[in-house]
Amino acid sequence: DTEVTQTPKHLVMGMTNKKSLKCEQHMGHRAMYWYKQKAKKPPELMFVYSYEKLSINESVPSRFSPECPNSSLLNLHLHALQPEDSALYLCASSHPAGTRPYNEQFFGPGTRLTVL
Amino acid sequence: SQQGEEDPQALSIQEGENATMNCSYKTSINNLQWYRQNSGRGLVHLILIRSNEREKHSGRLRVTLDTSKKSSSLLITASRAADTASYFCATVAGANNLFFGTGTRLTVIP
Repeated sequence: DTEVTQTPKHLVMGMTNKKSLKCEQHMGHRAMYWYKQKAKKPPELMFVYSYEKLSINESVPSRFSPECPNSSLLNLHLHALQPEDSALYLCASSHPAGTRPYNEQFFGPGTRLTVL
Repeated sequence: SQQGEEDPQALSIQEGENATMNCSYKTSINNLQWYRQNSGRGLVHLILIRSNEREKHSGRLRVTLDTSKKSSSLLITASRAADTASYFCATVAGANNLFFGTGTRLTVIP
């Protein structure tokens, strides 16, 4: 199974809502990532988890809260978002750095988020 | 910012022609990867070239890397309509974190 799944595919939320994005993989990868992608722009790294521990937070506002409950799951909790947070949120997974000569990342299809 | 630059931003060719896109980056790298993204969907890994390699082939793809110029190119030969997508280069420096270039939108006209 070389698939990364993400739910939901689309999400519309108000600025006062709390919602969560979910990501799952069963490839045995111990590194998982969240990216944000605005229209016609490249993906931007938000968070990196390695062995279920947060290893990188690329200066992301606290209204985004990641969680890695186990080695297969990655969540992104959303609270009090702004309209400018509307974007495609991509999850990816890979073997952790240093465990292979080089690693590719496997991406999920993304969640299209609209904040009203 | 570690983001790389790609050119052209957009490329439109006829089916059967070759497509070349270029990537320039700013920092030393361990490897450089190319990814493809169909409209608003997830990215798919195409090919990886290590910093000590100069050229690599995979099917209709040919990637070159010039670390002295901090640049890479992706050549797609004999293009097909199904190759229509956005193509991103991504550099890896220390940890396995990808920093993407600005992307090239390729349109292959049947």
